[in-house]
Amino acid sequence: AQSVSQHNHHVILSEAASLELGCNYSYGGTVNLFWYVQYPGQHLQLLLKYFSGDPLVKGIKGFEAEFIKSKFSFNLRKPSVQWSDTAEYFCAVNARDFGNEKLTFGTGTRLTIIP
Amino acid sequence: DGGITQSPKYLFRKEGQNVTLSCEQNLNHDAMYWYRQDPGQGLRLIYYSQIVNDFQKGDIAEGYSVSREKKESFPLTVTSAQKNPTAFYLCASSIPGTSIPYFGPGTRLTVT
Repeated sequence: AQSVSQHNHHVILSEAASLELGCNYSYGGTVNLFWYVQYPGQHLQLLLKYFSGDPLVKGIKGFEAEFIKSKFSFNLRKPSVQWSDTAEYFCAVNARDFGNEKLTFGTGTRLTIIP
Repeated sequence: DGGITQSPKYLFRKEGQNVTLSCEQNLNHDAMYWYRQDPGQGLRLIYYSQIVNDFQKGDIAEGYSVSREKKESFPLTVTSAQKNPTAFYLCASSIPGTSIPYFGPGTRLTVT
């Protein structure tokens, strides 16, 4: 069975700082990878996804993530954060498990941006 | 306007009562999922269904039940056997194998 680890539980940054949120997964087969964001009081929204091809994927709002297969990682990055990036961020893995597809989430990282 | 509908937004129940949470989608997605979100624990999978009349237990299925009689509907029943039912419940759907899971707005259940 797959699992997802997000080691940073709460990250606090000042505006304009660079961001990197870690995500590691455990699964030996083919995976689809996602980052979702949940702004306070809002739906979960998709930030970006990786299915195949270029391991560096670009998402909305200036976010990007790099899939490193050898490290089972899919870290989220943003060169310069804004106050409006304050939210909770979830990494997710979609893998086939005994012929069924399961979407498994990490525990989330709360990001607080200080103006 | 396509999407996922969860109703109601807030639900209150007394301990010992079963309660059913609604999830409807008009995206023509085959797969549907139920998650529970608790602070500091992220989203945990309760049940999922790849096709009509078929569903599988997720990681925390105890105390919950589901049905999938129609493609567009995947109701979740929180039974009295669920020891800690107060939580935020999220429904999602996707096209198996290729697509992006879409999430509904969630239902916050409070059991007292």
